[in-house]
Amino acid sequence: DSGVTQTPKHLITATGQRVTLRCSPRSGDLSVYWYQQSLDQGLQFLIQYYNGEERAKGNILERFSAQQFPDLHSELNLSSLELGDSALYFCASSVGPSTGELFFGEGSRLTVL
Amino acid sequence: SQELEQSPQSLIVQEGKNLTINCTSSKTLYGLYWYKQKYGEGLIFLMMLQKGGEEKSHEKITAKLDEKKQQSSLHITASQPSHAGIYLCGADIGDYGGSQGNLIFGKGTKLSVKP
Repeated sequence: DSGVTQTPKHLITATGQRVTLRCSPRSGDLSVYWYQQSLDQGLQFLIQYYNGEERAKGNILERFSAQQFPDLHSELNLSSLELGDSALYFCASSVGPSTGELFFGEGSRLTVL
Repeated sequence: SQELEQSPQSLIVQEGKNLTINCTSSKTLYGLYWYKQKYGEGLIFLMMLQKGGEEKSHEKITAKLDEKKQQSSLHITASQPSHAGIYLCGADIGDYGGSQGNLIFGKGTKLSVKP
């Protein structure tokens, strides 16, 4: 158990819909990362927050947004969903903003029909 | 373009055999990270290598970073079914012009160990 909690574990929705994925980092970790994993693209970095502030952006679509709240949990919002958004979405956390030792949650599997 | 290339893509070995997975970067790395993922689960951090020529071991897994810091290998000795999974190498995006602290990953090597 990494200490990172993600909900929901599975989500099935239709094209055009909007979903919110939630992440609680490990106790004491200030940095939260979101990654998307698909068969064709592999594991892609989406966005990072550190202590409530956006720190870095990766390959995140404009239809996606995220935030980190004062209690350090984070949410990833995915809107106007397309079939190609079906993937496993991981949240990871770390103590500081610049470390490669990340603790990953078990992921939220999104299926868009 | 894929910055980290892993080989092989998949590997099936008999229990007890040794194996090696390689990770090659197009640029010199500040840090190279190895993670393991069981199917459909999150990644687990294995090791971090930062210095050229560095070698680290944990139980039966040894990782090395070459002197030029562009290639790393992960070696498993006397493989066991518990070693099965997907092994991914990761590098700091800062090495590729991005913001440090975020990782890019290779596409992974799927390891199966036959009992």
